[in-house]
Amino acid sequence: TQLLEQSPQFLSIQEGENLTVYCNSSSVFSSLQWYRQEPGEGPVLLVTVVTGGEVKKLKRLTFQFGDARKDSSLHITAAQPGDTGLYLCAGLLGTQGGSEKLVFGKGTKLTVNP
Amino acid sequence: DAGITQSPRHKVTETGTPVTLRCHQTENHRYMYWYRQDPGHGLRLIHYSYGVKDTDKGEVSDGYSVSRSKTEDFLLTLESATSSQTSVYFCAIRGNYGYTFGSGTRLTVV
Repeated sequence: TQLLEQSPQFLSIQEGENLTVYCNSSSVFSSLQWYRQEPGEGPVLLVTVVTGGEVKKLKRLTFQFGDARKDSSLHITAAQPGDTGLYLCAGLLGTQGGSEKLVFGKGTKLTVNP
Repeated sequence: DAGITQSPRHKVTETGTPVTLRCHQTENHRYMYWYRQDPGHGLRLIHYSYGVKDTDKGEVSDGYSVSRSKTEDFLLTLESATSSQTSVYFCAIRGNYGYTFGSGTRLTVV
């Protein structure tokens, strides 16, 4: 059973277009994290959202955490070829000091064509 | 960021043999994790550790064991490797500013 449902799984767009990636769950998370992964490398943390309703911006990337802390979205404005990569959402379960663990969605493979 | 090193980076092994992968961190972070990544499945948690000798199972722990005898090292052992364990394995640590992943170990079981 996949705790985090991420969609779409694949996305191919033209340079300059906007896109949104969604991450949904029936579970409540302490925080929600977004990662980007390049081929042959491990995921790299982009952002962590902690508070329900929180919105964070990282240049052309906007991250939102749902009010109930069960879902999140990543929006990219005016995508560029350099944005190409695998985007992963991950939810944190457990309590700090205890058996805390991070569970991942299946990822969205984004291709931005010039 | 804390340094995190996985070894080996690549390994080919035969079915039925035991295999141990090593994850080493250069700072005293408490939490360490082992994941596997497969097409169509994303990253799945195998085992994790929240302190020396404190470990717990993840969602795909069958066929794997772990040990953490000191803070800096977290070992993943495939007790008797099977072809279904061919995968890319990632180690991660929970640092002060989030999670940091190693570069991965590509394991092929033939």
